[in-house]
Amino acid sequence: DIQMTQSPSSLSASVGDRVTITCRASQSISSYLNWYQQKPGKAPKLLIYAASSLQSGVPSRFSGSGSGTDFTLTISSLQPEDFATYYCQQSYSTRMYTFGQGTKLEIK
Amino acid sequence: EVQLVESGGGLVKPGGSLRLSCAASGFTFSSYSMNWVRQAPGKGLEWVSSISSSSSYIYYADSVKGRFTISRDNAKNSLYLQMNSLRAEDTAVYYCARDSVVPAAMGEGYYYYYMDVWGKGTTVTVSS
Repeated sequence: DIQMTQSPSSLSASVGDRVTITCRASQSISSYLNWYQQKPGKAPKLLIYAASSLQSGVPSRFSGSGSGTDFTLTISSLQPEDFATYYCQQSYSTRMYTFGQGTKLEIK
Repeated sequence: EVQLVESGGGLVKPGGSLRLSCAASGFTFSSYSMNWVRQAPGKGLEWVSSISSSSSYIYYADSVKGRFTISRDNAKNSLYLQMNSLRAEDTAVYYCARDSVVPAAMGEGYYYYYMDVWGKGTTVTVSS
């Protein structure tokens, strides 16, 4: 099974900050990496697919990069509505998708 | 409007059974693979099961293999999850999610998969 590890598990930041979240795969997954945002009591929302492609309707302050085993999600200038939990997910193994454990982004 | 609506959750005793449904609308359901993803209280997301558009390919997480069965009825635009031998650790919000694909850069036959449409979830509680 492919394990996904996110860091940090939690992060405090201020509005306007640049924030980076990291996701590492236990084996190479090429660019088969997606990022989701989840707010309390809500369903996850797709932000980035194929490591760096921005989902339609998602603000351009969100960006993704990486390939192989190491990936990053960057928010260029945090907005109040960005405080949420973020998950990475690999789709390299279509027989068994796996998510990272999540990164909770909190207001400093 | 593209929409997924889950139903069928509830309170069930350990060892019991429950059948979840997911009604799809606003897109051609029969063209998409579908997933069930769950989230235990205060925990992260866990992929549970996937089914291809024609039901030819079905996959399960090890944690539910042999107890859960995914199925679909393309004529009714519906996805199902039959859950048997339920355990306390199956307590979670269960989401259905659509699998979309785009061609991958590495060439013909390679595709990127991602879950781009999610329902609001249905809650399953397993407790005596």
